[in-house]
Amino acid sequence: TQLLEQSPQFLSIQEGENLTVYCNSSSVFSSLQWYRQEPGEGPVLLVTVVTGGEVKKLKRLTFQFGDARKDSSLHITAAQPGDTGLYLCAGEGGKLIFGQGTELSVKP
Amino acid sequence: GAGVSQTPSNKVTEKGKYVELRCDPISGHTALYWYRQSLGQGPEFLIYFQGTGAADDSGLPNDRFFAVRPEGSVSTLKIQRTERGDSAVYLCASSLGGGLNEQYFGPGTRLTVT
Repeated sequence: TQLLEQSPQFLSIQEGENLTVYCNSSSVFSSLQWYRQEPGEGPVLLVTVVTGGEVKKLKRLTFQFGDARKDSSLHITAAQPGDTGLYLCAGEGGKLIFGQGTELSVKP
Repeated sequence: GAGVSQTPSNKVTEKGKYVELRCDPISGHTALYWYRQSLGQGPEFLIYFQGTGAADDSGLPNDRFFAVRPEGSVSTLKIQRTERGDSAVYLCASSLGGGLNEQYFGPGTRLTVT
């Protein structure tokens, strides 16, 4: 069974701080996706990483795929209250396998 | 254009009752997915349609759960003899095709079984 473990599960920080969310698995995935979900809405795709070691940047967000394609990280620089939400990683292995999510709260 | 829509947005039912949840995908999307999201968890895959046929139904938890997509567009998830453990948000997503094509999620139906 393919599983994705995210850490931390909850993160509460002040505006302007940096943070990193981790997504780990013992399985290899053909690609890994990061989503953001707000209350009452479905997840929205932020990025897909495909190649081992790949780094992608989306404004203040930096996504990295591990060399072995088993893990990934999301780093947010200078977090803002608008970054608040549930961040989900999902591995593609024939179907999407989601981690349990990281609930981020950024206080002004 | 219109995104994925799901109806109803909320459904409260009694234990043992039958429920139907509807998903309207983005027009032209051939792939459709159902997920279940329990409180504090990520979405859990249930079933994937490519056109009218279920390409992968390995996530359906038991035979009380069934889904159809008779014309390759709208899909209905049907749950028989509901149990309190079925309470969750049921999400639908659609994409242009399977594989790495981006999945667009609807807002979900919150099902509460009392």
